[in-house]
Amino acid sequence: AQSVSQHNHHVILSEAASLELGCNYSYGGTVNLFWYVQYPGQHLQLLLKYFSGDPLVKGIKGFEAEFIKSKFSFNLRKPSVQWSDTAEYFCAVGARTGANNLFFGTGTRLTVIP
Amino acid sequence: DAGVIQSPRHEVTEMGQEVTLRCKLISGHNSLFWYRQTMMRGLELLIYFNNNVPIDDSGMPEDRFSAKMPNASFSTLKIQPSEPRDSAVYFCASRIAGGTQYFGPGTRLTVL
Repeated sequence: AQSVSQHNHHVILSEAASLELGCNYSYGGTVNLFWYVQYPGQHLQLLLKYFSGDPLVKGIKGFEAEFIKSKFSFNLRKPSVQWSDTAEYFCAVGARTGANNLFFGTGTRLTVIP
Repeated sequence: DAGVIQSPRHEVTEMGQEVTLRCKLISGHNSLFWYRQTMMRGLELLIYFNNNVPIDDSGMPEDRFSAKMPNASFSTLKIQPSEPRDSAVYFCASRIAGGTQYFGPGTRLTVL
């Protein structure tokens, strides 16, 4: 069965600390991978995505994620977080082709303390 | 390019009333998804369509919920009758097959 696991439910960091949020998935076949961010009171916005090619993907606002196929992981990283990064982060996976749904993780809430 | 459009943005209604939420897909997209988000249950997929056809409605809570796509660019989610436990933010999202899913701004529903 398809599933996405985000092991960290709530992460609290001080500004300038480094961030790594874990994402592991279980999905048969070739996948596309996504990280979405939801700022307080707003809708989900795409942060970055991996379709193919270089497994290290760079997104907006200094975020990056690395696809490690052997580990079924797509962890999100940022070297130095800011207070404005306070948000909820969702990992999602979907089939590379076809009209299948995306499967979302349960989300990780990040709180950055100034 | 206009994104996914949802209306209304906020809805406050009384228990027992019918509620209709609306969603306009991004032009050219052919898949439409309805989600519900609450503090307790997080983000839940309710139903999704591909080319106007419902593909998976297993997330629809009960018969009070129904969703339609009368045409390729528009969808409605109806709750009849509404109950306080339906209070949530309802998002729709659209995509092309294999592509990125884009979310609308959401409708915050409060059922008193």
